[in-house]
Amino acid sequence: GQQLNQSPQSMFIQEGEDVSMNCTSSSIFNTWLWYKQEPGEGPVLLIALYKAGELTSNGRLTAQFGITRKDSFLNISASIPSDVGIYFCAGDGETSGSRLTFGEGTQLTVNP
Amino acid sequence: DAGVIQSPRHEVTEMGQEVTLRCKPISGHDYLFWYRQTMMRGLELLIYFNNNVPIDDSGMPEDRFSAKMPNASFSTLKIQPSEPRDSAVYFCASSPIDPTAYYEQYFGPGTRLTVT
Repeated sequence: GQQLNQSPQSMFIQEGEDVSMNCTSSSIFNTWLWYKQEPGEGPVLLIALYKAGELTSNGRLTAQFGITRKDSFLNISASIPSDVGIYFCAGDGETSGSRLTFGEGTQLTVNP
Repeated sequence: DAGVIQSPRHEVTEMGQEVTLRCKPISGHDYLFWYRQTMMRGLELLIYFNNNVPIDDSGMPEDRFSAKMPNASFSTLKIQPSEPRDSAVYFCASSPIDPTAYYEQYFGPGTRLTVT
């Protein structure tokens, strides 16, 4: 089946630093989504991308749909302690129907 | 607006018992998804429905698992009999029929199931 490789697996940063994480696939994806999950809660949708090359922002978050359609990245600027959580990428591949494939997640820790 | 509602939030049961998890999707959403999350396997799609009809149940682990959606506002995931390896967090998610937002799934808070 389709797989997403998400990196890094974990990040430890200081408050105020910028963060970058990415997701790659060996096959083409039509849609990329980024979710954040906090302890004891379900994933929350942050950004959805539908076109190759698309760059979308949501507050301090910016995500891009790679030109090759095989990757996406998420940037967080000026991190704050409440950014702590696990960030997941998810995508819809050409053969996946309505199913989303999820990455393994990036655990973000922000030190005040 | 109310998000996806799941109950119970926590369930502890003994091996062999029947477990029923419940979900109320966001009103107006036509797709409903059941996921399981574990440390080892991450988020796994178990089954999804479109307009109350099961479309893809290939992720359901085995016959002990069953899911129903009797109407647009309610779905259940049942495990009978339960086993310790079923311990996980089970999420329900829903998404709208709008083709521009088709893949934007909104998750509930999850049910943490522990089978002893």
